[in-house]
Amino acid sequence: NAGVTQTPKFQVLKTGQSMTLQCAQDMNHNSMYWYRQDPGMGLRLIYYSASEGTTDKGEVPNGYNVSRLNKREFSLRLESAAPSQTSVYFCASSELGATGGGYTFGSGTRLTVV
Amino acid sequence: SQQGEEDPQALSIQEGENATMNCSYKTSINNLQWYRQNSGRGLVHLILIRSNEREKHSGRLRVTLDTSKKSSSLLITASRAADTASYFCATDARDDKIIFGKGTRLHILP
Repeated sequence: NAGVTQTPKFQVLKTGQSMTLQCAQDMNHNSMYWYRQDPGMGLRLIYYSASEGTTDKGEVPNGYNVSRLNKREFSLRLESAAPSQTSVYFCASSELGATGGGYTFGSGTRLTVV
Repeated sequence: SQQGEEDPQALSIQEGENATMNCSYKTSINNLQWYRQNSGRGLVHLILIRSNEREKHSGRLRVTLDTSKKSSSLLITASRAADTASYFCATDARDDKIIFGKGTRLHILP
């Protein structure tokens, strides 16, 4: 019963470096999401994928790219990391999207950009 | 664009007391959800209430929804130390997304 698995759990990057955050779900969910959580800001949607083969921008997409590799996996890439991207990143999945029974979240990736 | 907003931002109560937190939102919704986040962990879905429902229960949780006031409340009865967490409401928005509020930090005092 793994649910949503995110890797890595922690990462420190230097400004300008690139990295990919990995997310995989084993619940056969159609929709997947990437959020960032900053102190006092709640969760903000970066990108989402309503189904395999589709991706759409969320509230704060600048500086990020995503790939829905298959139904299970949804990765988030930072091409040139900036200190403003220091945050905790959460991946989530859902069977029925916003109309359904709730999202399942991963445990998060804590990213620091120095 | 913030849809839901929780109130209060922080709440401290004695163990055994009831905890009530509120969520207000701006535009019409199809459903509203509540999530819990323990420190350093991901969010956990607690309960979903649809726009045609007024009240819903799950164990020690009671959620109400007043669409005329665009507000919802989450009541946790007989609080326990393990209830210490942040609680978020989330409302459905356009394009199959949900939008989270900034959360209420609940601290249960021994």
